[in-house]
Amino acid sequence: SAVISQKPSRDICQRGTSLTIQCQVDSQVTMMFWYRQQPGQSLTLIATANQGSEATYESGFVIDKFPISRPNLTFSTLTVSNMSPEDSSIYLCSVTGGFGTDTQYFGPGTRLTVL
Amino acid sequence: AQRVTQPEKLLSVFKGAPVELKCNYSYSGSPELFWYVQYSRQRLQLLLRHISRESIKGFTADLNKGETSFHLKKPFAQEEDSAMYYCALSPLGAGTASKLTFGTGTRLQVTL
Repeated sequence: SAVISQKPSRDICQRGTSLTIQCQVDSQVTMMFWYRQQPGQSLTLIATANQGSEATYESGFVIDKFPISRPNLTFSTLTVSNMSPEDSSIYLCSVTGGFGTDTQYFGPGTRLTVL
Repeated sequence: AQRVTQPEKLLSVFKGAPVELKCNYSYSGSPELFWYVQYSRQRLQLLLRHISRESIKGFTADLNKGETSFHLKKPFAQEEDSAMYYCALSPLGAGTASKLTFGTGTRLQVTL
């Protein structure tokens, strides 16, 4: 399986600021996804990060709030913009389509607290 | 819209007892069902998927289309099974484009 890393692993931010989360994979993958897990809740898909084009957002998530980049097949970023306490969550990236399988593998997550 | 329901937030069993973690789903098409597990301080990882029909770490799960269920079972619980378990669904045949819909998770606690 792939080695997936996320930076930062955790952060505490002030409301109104923005944070960019990085997801790096040690091999090329077809698909990269971003999920959110709010406290006590399940994982919810935010968007699919498309290489070389705009991300595909799920209902309830918009590009202005969660801009995503995917410049190549091993790297993606998610920005949480103009943060409020409601954005306090764990943000996870996941990947599929590498290493000969369509299994979805998850990164370790970024724990974000917004004050 | 697709939905995955895990009715129990916490399931506590004794070591050696049978385990059944419930998962029900609603989806208009043909689903592919998964169980993911998250051990303490570890990342989310795939436990098993229904199309593989495997037994992983003694766990099995059978897709019951009539009851729209995909319950996870193990005949004898071990302490190391204590973890958070998530049931997830994606459209069958989506392959690498599989967008997963997760249930809310069940924490399994195995005690001596």
